[in-house]
Amino acid sequence: LAKTTQPISMDSYEGQEVNITCSHNNIATNDYITWYQQFPSQGPRFIIQGYKTKVTNEVASLFIPADRKSSTLSLPRVSLSDTAVYYCLVGDDGENDMRFGAGTRLTVKP
Amino acid sequence: EPEVTQTPSHQVTQMGQEVILRCVPISNHLYFYWYRQILGQKVEFLVSFYNNEISEKSEIFDDQFSVERPDGSNFTLKIRSTKLEDSAMYFCASRVQGAGNTIYFGEGSWLTVV
Repeated sequence: LAKTTQPISMDSYEGQEVNITCSHNNIATNDYITWYQQFPSQGPRFIIQGYKTKVTNEVASLFIPADRKSSTLSLPRVSLSDTAVYYCLVGDDGENDMRFGAGTRLTVKP
Repeated sequence: EPEVTQTPSHQVTQMGQEVILRCVPISNHLYFYWYRQILGQKVEFLVSFYNNEISEKSEIFDDQFSVERPDGSNFTLKIRSTKLEDSAMYFCASRVQGAGNTIYFGEGSWLTVV
């Protein structure tokens, strides 16, 4: 499982776009990049997954540069309910050791 | 939408007692995990389970912990002799093969050791 580095915390205001970047310099060829969201007292919830370039779903976009050594989760027009911890996870389909890093604590203010 | 279910949602136990936390993974999933999260800290990996055996475990998963899949649906975590520092939220998760590293978590079992 590739080691990941994220900012510990970020603040934003309602209606703004938020970009959270994750560094994964030792990503392997078969590794996917997956982001999770966790609210207090709840289990992490899958947000988005990508391998390369850009992926978009109804919740977020994921931007992955050509070298894949980093990725950026983009949350459009955040609301107060987006206040959570966001985790970046990098690993392949057969990964058994699925360890989370410290994550990024996003606080959205009114 | 299928989901991972966990029981109990909350358990209070005395130090030294045995605890069994239960999980029903999503039905077509083949990989199963247990994590714990101490209040205010990050999610910590405990163990992964595939094909009826442990495939990976962390340094936290010592001899007091065990996992079992006693039938085709349940996946359990047993803590033999609980310690105060075992107080945490325990999450079960499961994954289907061919979905990258997308894992689905249950809502957790909050264990309080007194």
